[in-house]
Amino acid sequence: GAVVSQHPSWVICKSGTSVKIECRSLDFQATTMFWYRQFPKQSLMLMATSNEGSKATYEQGVEKDKFLINHASLTLSTLTVTSAHPEDSSFYICSAREAIAEAFFGQGTRLTVV
Amino acid sequence: AQSVTQLGSHVSVSEGALVLLRCNYSSSVPPYLFWYVQYPNQGLQLLLKYTTGATLVKGINGFEAEFKKSETSFHLTKPSAHMSDAAEYFCAVSEGGYGGATNKLIFGTGTLLAVQP
Repeated sequence: GAVVSQHPSWVICKSGTSVKIECRSLDFQATTMFWYRQFPKQSLMLMATSNEGSKATYEQGVEKDKFLINHASLTLSTLTVTSAHPEDSSFYICSAREAIAEAFFGQGTRLTVV
Repeated sequence: AQSVTQLGSHVSVSEGALVLLRCNYSSSVPPYLFWYVQYPNQGLQLLLKYTTGATLVKGINGFEAEFKKSETSFHLTKPSAHMSDAAEYFCAVSEGGYGGATNKLIFGTGTLLAVQP
């Protein structure tokens, strides 16, 4: 299957700082990317959907100013957690798909805010 | 609205025993159904999916699932469990067709499979 790469795999940051997570499609053009959040021992919750070149669509309850999503190219989307706080600590996973094909998942990013 | 219910947050089986992970869905349109596996601190890997056609679908690692519309179920099975099958399994549903505005996947709460030697 296609490869989706997330970077970094894990990150520790201080409260109040911002963290950027990258999601790259390595061998296909990702017209749509999805960002999920997963709390320990819980399921994945969709945060937002982004289409290349347009603004992301956020799910209800997700702060768009807190979680900035940029999908400027067909192979890269970024999620920036702004002014991070300990409650933002979580596992963030992206997925990407080309046109109407199947979506593939990245390996996830473990964010710890101290 | 679509939803997924996975019965049993934890399932434990002996090595070589049958694996049965239950998934029921709710959807007002023909659903597409998926099973994913997640190993610790990793992303999700697709095991199998049902879109249209044959209701019994076979996936990787010896897993299979059967779509039963009358029961709104999509249970995952494997005849003989291996130690390497120990992981978290998620059932997911999306609206029929990969096309459409979002192709959103709605996930169940997951089932942690333990395999005892």
